[in-house]
Amino acid sequence: NAGVTQTPKFRILKIGQSMTLQCAQDMNHNYMYWYRQDPGMGLKLIYYSVGAGITDKGEVPNGYNVSRSTTEDFPLRLELAAPSQTSVYFCASTDRGSSSYNSPLHFGNGTRLTVT
Amino acid sequence: GENVEQHPSTLSVQEGDSAVIKCTYSDSASNYFPWYKQELGKRPQLIIDIRSNVGEKKDQRIAVTLNKTAKHFSLHITETQPEDSAVYFCAAKASGAGSYQLTFGKGTKLSVIP
Repeated sequence: NAGVTQTPKFRILKIGQSMTLQCAQDMNHNYMYWYRQDPGMGLKLIYYSVGAGITDKGEVPNGYNVSRSTTEDFPLRLELAAPSQTSVYFCASTDRGSSSYNSPLHFGNGTRLTVT
Repeated sequence: GENVEQHPSTLSVQEGDSAVIKCTYSDSASNYFPWYKQELGKRPQLIIDIRSNVGEKKDQRIAVTLNKTAKHFSLHITETQPEDSAVYFCAAKASGAGSYQLTFGKGTKLSVIP
């Protein structure tokens, strides 16, 4: 299993440009998440999905959009890039997410995005 | 929503000494508390977790303790080694239907000095 795969690894955008960060997992996990990581600020949840066709906002969703057409893929879209979106983005997945059972998050290797 | 505070933000210890990182959480409904280790330039990886029905859990040189009454939990690393140098994140998650989110602390940068 490859686990959680993110592409690209690095990207530089100009203000106002758009891009999609790709995330795919091959573990048949239902739950997928997008986090951003800023220095000294930990991991902030952007969006999450509990299954194909279902997405919901996290703590910091403004400026982003997601879709979940398949169990495997969970792309993150930036429509009008702003310098405040300069960050490291991590995609993660888990096989269960609620109630009495908790399983660990499996993270991808991250995408380092710079907006100038 | 849940709020997780983590202290200290940086910690330096001599090789062989112990390191302790502490976290507090605000939501009394939280019942799952994982710890992640992130080496420089790498992804976070789970090192240990604890559920609310357990007060302490050990795995070789690392242990986590939980005090539900006080709403705090701690990571203990004994006999530290240079490869323990990393950023450590605590997290908390509530139980119940519709609860899918882990809330992370801001991280502790641990430096183990040889």
